[in-house]
Amino acid sequence: LAKTTQPISMDSYEGQEVNITCSHNNIATNDYITWYQQFPSQGPRFIIQGYKTKVTNEVASLFIPADRKSSTLSLPRVSLSDTAVYYCLVEAGGGADGLTFGKGTHLIIQP
Amino acid sequence: EAGVTQSPTHLIKTRGQQATLRCSPISGHTSVYWYQQALGLGLQFLLWYDEGEERNRGNFPPRFSGRQFPNYSSELNVNALELEDSALYLCASSLWGVVSNQPQHFGDGTRLSIL
Repeated sequence: LAKTTQPISMDSYEGQEVNITCSHNNIATNDYITWYQQFPSQGPRFIIQGYKTKVTNEVASLFIPADRKSSTLSLPRVSLSDTAVYYCLVEAGGGADGLTFGKGTHLIIQP
Repeated sequence: EAGVTQSPTHLIKTRGQQATLRCSPISGHTSVYWYQQALGLGLQFLLWYDEGEERNRGNFPPRFSGRQFPNYSSELNVNALELEDSALYLCASSLWGVVSNQPQHFGDGTRLSIL
Protein backbone atom coordinates (compact mmCIF):
# COMPACT_ATOMS: atom_id res chain seq x y z
CA LEU A 1 0.00 0.00 0.00
CA ALA A 2 1.56 3.21 -1.17
CA LYS A 3 0.93 5.72 1.59
CA THR A 4 1.35 9.43 0.98
CA THR A 5 2.39 12.24 3.29
CA GLN A 6 1.73 15.92 2.58
CA PRO A 7 1.91 19.12 4.63
CA ILE A 8 -1.41 19.84 6.29
CA SER A 9 -1.48 23.47 5.23
CA MET A 10 0.44 26.12 3.29
CA ASP A 11 0.09 29.87 2.82
CA SER A 12 1.16 32.03 -0.08
CA TYR A 13 0.33 35.24 -1.89
CA GLU A 14 -1.21 36.08 -5.22
CA GLY A 15 1.25 35.98 -8.10
CA GLN A 16 3.69 33.64 -6.33
CA GLU A 17 4.70 30.16 -7.41
CA VAL A 18 3.59 27.48 -4.97
CA ASN A 19 5.21 24.07 -4.61
CA ILE A 20 3.49 21.29 -2.66
CA THR A 21 5.52 18.16 -2.00
CA CYS A 22 4.14 14.69 -1.41
CA SER A 23 6.16 11.78 -0.01
CA HIS A 24 5.39 8.23 -1.14
CA ASN A 25 8.31 6.14 0.03
CA ASN A 26 6.93 2.72 -0.90
CA ILE A 27 5.62 3.55 -4.33
CA ALA A 28 5.38 0.50 -6.59
CA THR A 29 6.62 0.10 -10.14
CA ASN A 30 3.09 0.25 -11.59
CA ASP A 31 2.01 3.32 -9.62
CA TYR A 32 1.22 6.67 -11.18
CA ILE A 33 1.09 9.90 -9.18
CA THR A 34 -2.04 11.99 -9.53
CA TRP A 35 -2.94 15.33 -7.98
CA TYR A 36 -6.45 16.57 -7.34
CA GLN A 37 -7.89 19.91 -6.23
CA GLN A 38 -10.98 20.18 -4.06
CA PHE A 39 -13.11 23.20 -3.20
CA PRO A 40 -15.58 23.10 -0.29
CA SER A 41 -18.71 21.04 -0.95
CA GLN A 42 -17.43 19.92 -4.35
CA GLY A 43 -15.82 16.77 -5.62
CA PRO A 44 -12.07 16.71 -6.29
CA ARG A 45 -10.92 17.79 -9.73
CA PHE A 46 -8.05 16.20 -11.62
CA ILE A 47 -5.05 18.53 -11.98
CA ILE A 48 -2.16 16.50 -13.32
CA GLN A 49 -0.68 13.02 -13.45
CA GLY A 50 2.81 11.67 -13.99
CA TYR A 51 5.02 8.62 -13.75
CA LYS A 52 8.54 10.04 -13.79
CA THR A 53 10.55 13.21 -14.54
CA LYS A 54 8.42 16.25 -15.36
CA VAL A 55 4.92 16.73 -16.66
CA THR A 56 3.39 20.09 -17.51
CA ASN A 57 -0.10 21.13 -18.54
CA GLU A 58 -1.93 24.42 -18.77
CA VAL A 59 -2.46 24.76 -15.03
CA ALA A 60 0.45 23.02 -13.25
CA SER A 61 3.70 21.13 -13.41
CA LEU A 62 4.60 17.90 -11.67
CA PHE A 63 8.18 17.06 -10.80
CA ILE A 64 9.11 13.48 -9.95
CA PRO A 65 12.72 12.60 -9.05
CA ALA A 66 14.41 9.46 -10.33
CA ASP A 67 13.67 7.41 -7.20
CA ARG A 68 9.96 8.39 -7.41
CA LYS A 69 9.68 8.49 -3.62
CA SER A 70 8.30 12.00 -3.70
CA SER A 71 6.64 14.38 -6.10
CA THR A 72 6.14 18.13 -6.21
CA LEU A 73 3.12 19.92 -7.60
CA SER A 74 4.03 23.37 -8.85
CA LEU A 75 1.35 26.04 -9.34
CA PRO A 76 2.68 29.08 -11.21
CA ARG A 77 1.43 32.57 -10.32
CA VAL A 78 -1.36 31.57 -7.97
CA SER A 79 -4.53 33.58 -7.50
CA LEU A 80 -7.12 33.74 -4.72
CA SER A 81 -9.17 31.13 -6.57
CA ASP A 82 -6.41 28.58 -6.07
CA THR A 83 -7.30 28.43 -2.38
CA ALA A 84 -8.35 24.79 -2.01
CA VAL A 85 -7.30 21.41 -0.67
CA TYR A 86 -4.80 19.53 -2.82
CA TYR A 87 -4.52 15.75 -2.68
CA CYS A 88 -1.70 13.56 -3.87
CA LEU A 89 -2.81 10.05 -4.83
CA VAL A 90 -0.59 7.17 -5.79
CA GLU A 91 -2.74 5.01 -8.02
CA ALA A 92 -1.89 1.35 -7.94
CA GLY A 93 -2.25 -0.53 -11.16
CA GLY A 94 -4.32 -3.67 -10.86
CA GLY A 95 -6.15 -2.98 -7.66
CA ALA A 96 -7.76 -0.53 -5.30
CA ASP A 97 -4.97 -0.41 -2.73
CA GLY A 98 -3.97 2.99 -3.95
CA LEU A 99 -7.42 4.52 -3.58
CA THR A 100 -6.48 6.09 -0.29
CA PHE A 101 -6.51 9.84 -0.20
CA GLY A 102 -4.69 11.45 2.68
CA LYS A 103 -6.02 14.56 4.37
CA GLY A 104 -4.48 16.71 1.66
CA THR A 105 -2.82 20.11 1.83
CA HIS A 106 -4.99 23.11 2.54
CA LEU A 107 -3.50 25.90 0.42
CA ILE A 108 -4.51 29.42 1.40
CA ILE A 109 -3.72 32.26 -1.00
CA GLN A 110 -3.78 35.78 0.36
CA PRO A 111 -3.98 39.08 -1.56
CA GLU B 1 -19.37 15.71 -22.33
CA ALA B 2 -21.54 15.39 -19.23
CA GLY B 3 -19.63 14.81 -16.02
CA VAL B 4 -20.38 12.43 -13.19
CA THR B 5 -23.81 13.17 -11.78
CA GLN B 6 -25.05 12.29 -8.32
CA SER B 7 -28.49 12.41 -6.79
CA PRO B 8 -29.90 13.62 -4.59
CA THR B 9 -27.76 16.64 -3.76
CA HIS B 10 -28.90 16.58 -0.16
CA LEU B 11 -30.54 13.86 1.89
CA ILE B 12 -31.82 14.07 5.43
CA LYS B 13 -32.56 10.92 7.38
CA THR B 14 -32.99 9.85 10.96
CA ARG B 15 -31.10 7.20 12.88
CA GLY B 16 -31.99 3.65 11.90
CA GLN B 17 -33.37 4.56 8.49
CA GLN B 18 -31.92 3.51 5.16
CA ALA B 19 -30.42 5.80 2.51
CA THR B 20 -29.95 5.25 -1.21
CA LEU B 21 -27.55 7.39 -3.19
CA ARG B 22 -27.22 7.29 -6.96
CA CYS B 23 -24.42 7.95 -9.41
CA SER B 24 -24.21 8.18 -13.19
CA PRO B 25 -20.67 7.91 -14.56
CA ILE B 26 -19.24 9.70 -17.54
CA SER B 27 -20.33 8.03 -20.77
CA GLY B 28 -17.91 5.24 -21.66
CA HIS B 29 -16.54 4.85 -18.14
CA THR B 30 -17.00 1.38 -16.70
CA SER B 31 -15.54 1.85 -13.22
CA VAL B 32 -17.37 3.59 -10.41
CA TYR B 33 -15.90 4.41 -7.00
CA TRP B 34 -17.61 5.58 -3.83
CA TYR B 35 -15.98 7.66 -1.09
CA GLN B 36 -17.09 9.07 2.22
CA GLN B 37 -15.83 12.48 3.29
CA ALA B 38 -16.75 13.48 6.81
CA LEU B 39 -16.53 17.17 7.69
CA GLY B 40 -12.93 18.37 7.69
CA LEU B 41 -11.51 14.98 6.79
CA GLY B 42 -10.00 13.40 3.70
CA LEU B 43 -11.70 10.96 1.39
CA GLN B 44 -12.25 7.46 2.74
CA PHE B 45 -12.56 4.78 0.06
CA LEU B 46 -15.82 2.83 0.31
CA LEU B 47 -16.40 0.70 -2.77
CA TRP B 48 -15.19 0.07 -6.31
CA TYR B 49 -17.39 -1.41 -9.03
CA ASP B 50 -16.35 -2.38 -12.51
CA GLU B 51 -18.38 -4.15 -15.18
CA GLY B 52 -21.14 -4.81 -12.67
CA GLU B 53 -18.91 -6.51 -10.12
CA GLU B 54 -17.69 -5.29 -6.73
CA ARG B 55 -13.89 -5.23 -7.11
CA ASN B 56 -12.86 -3.96 -3.72
CA ARG B 57 -14.20 -2.30 -0.61
CA GLY B 58 -12.71 -0.14 2.06
CA ASN B 59 -12.81 -0.61 5.81
CA PHE B 60 -16.53 -0.03 6.30
CA PRO B 61 -19.19 -2.25 7.91
CA PRO B 62 -21.47 -4.44 5.77
CA ARG B 63 -24.39 -2.04 6.18
CA PHE B 64 -22.63 -0.02 3.47
CA SER B 65 -23.38 -1.78 0.21
CA GLY B 66 -24.08 -1.01 -3.39
CA ARG B 67 -24.39 -2.24 -6.90
CA GLN B 68 -23.61 -1.32 -10.45
CA PHE B 69 -26.21 -1.61 -13.16
CA PRO B 70 -25.74 -2.77 -16.77
CA ASN B 71 -25.59 0.87 -17.91
CA TYR B 72 -22.69 1.34 -15.42
CA SER B 73 -24.65 3.65 -13.14
CA SER B 74 -24.36 2.80 -9.49
CA GLU B 75 -26.22 2.92 -6.24
CA LEU B 76 -24.87 3.14 -2.69
CA ASN B 77 -27.09 1.88 0.10
CA VAL B 78 -26.52 2.61 3.75
CA ASN B 79 -28.66 0.65 6.20
CA ALA B 80 -29.33 1.28 9.87
CA LEU B 81 -28.06 4.84 9.65
CA GLU B 82 -25.97 6.18 12.51
CA LEU B 83 -25.16 9.77 13.42
CA GLU B 84 -21.54 9.32 12.33
CA ASP B 85 -22.70 8.46 8.81
CA SER B 86 -23.32 12.15 8.25
CA ALA B 87 -20.91 13.10 5.48
CA LEU B 88 -20.44 14.05 1.86
CA TYR B 89 -20.60 10.91 -0.28
CA LEU B 90 -18.63 11.23 -3.47
CA CYS B 91 -18.82 9.10 -6.57
CA ALA B 92 -16.09 8.94 -9.20
CA SER B 93 -15.72 7.14 -12.49
CA SER B 94 -12.79 6.19 -14.65
CA LEU B 95 -12.28 4.98 -18.17
CA TRP B 96 -10.75 1.59 -17.56
CA GLY B 97 -11.65 -1.17 -15.16
CA VAL B 98 -8.14 -1.49 -13.83
CA VAL B 99 -6.94 1.41 -11.74
CA SER B 100 -3.80 2.43 -13.51
CA ASN B 101 -3.10 5.67 -15.24
CA GLN B 102 -6.69 6.65 -15.83
CA PRO B 103 -7.60 9.45 -13.42
CA GLN B 104 -10.86 9.47 -11.56
CA HIS B 105 -13.54 12.02 -12.37
CA PHE B 106 -15.70 13.02 -9.44
CA GLY B 107 -19.24 14.21 -9.02
CA ASP B 108 -20.07 16.92 -6.49
CA GLY B 109 -21.51 14.45 -4.02
CA THR B 110 -24.56 13.82 -1.93
CA ARG B 111 -24.63 15.52 1.46
CA LEU B 112 -26.18 13.00 3.86
CA SER B 113 -27.32 14.36 7.19
CA ILE B 114 -28.49 12.08 9.98
CA LEU B 115 -30.72 13.62 12.64
